[in-house]
Amino acid sequence: GAVVSQHPSWVICKSGTSVKIECRSLDFQATTMFWYRQFPKQSLMLMATSNEGSKATYEQGVEKDKFLINHASLTLSTLTVTSAHPEDSSFYICSASPTLAGAYEQYFGPGTRLTVT
Amino acid sequence: KQEVTQIPAALSVPEGENLVLNCSFTDSAIYNLQWFRQDPGKGLTSLLLIQSSQREQTSGRLNASLDKSSGRSTLYIAASQPGDSATYLCAVSGGGTSYGKLTFGQGTILTVHP
Repeated sequence: GAVVSQHPSWVICKSGTSVKIECRSLDFQATTMFWYRQFPKQSLMLMATSNEGSKATYEQGVEKDKFLINHASLTLSTLTVTSAHPEDSSFYICSASPTLAGAYEQYFGPGTRLTVT
Repeated sequence: KQEVTQIPAALSVPEGENLVLNCSFTDSAIYNLQWFRQDPGKGLTSLLLIQSSQREQTSGRLNASLDKSSGRSTLYIAASQPGDSATYLCAVSGGGTSYGKLTFGQGTILTVHP
């Protein structure tokens, strides 16, 4: 149980285009979903927290207009990287929690590798 | 602001050794602490979760302890195997305004050679 999927697993896009990444909880309802970014040889940095039906809460320094997050249902959250640039190339990982604000265990997706050329 | 530090940054051991990975955090007002494993290019696998009221958790060859007052946790791996080679990440979930958010350490890269 507690499986989280991400799609796509990797994507290459041209600079200036937008890319959408999906995060799904397959066997539980996720009250809260989190989006993280991981640069090579670095740890995970939280980008934003989203609760179903609410606007996402972004961490300091994360541009909300560039990284659009939608948590439209209890099993799906999407991250759209708008007008992507090479510096946005990274490994994006989502996590989902069945409780508010992830008070208990967060279950992580397999990640999406984004390369912007 | 919560900061999490992991020592050592990298560790290489022969198969069969028992080993200890260390994690320290600056703000003791945590809700829980988790240890994760990450294989290259992959997502995270949760190994152990310790609630702030607990002192340790065990799963198979893994044992994690938590000393909240001193801001420390250790992950003990018994009888290491080559399949244990991965990056191990420690993360804390803070209380108050940081409720539920995970702050990660930089990780320990473990290599177990046959």
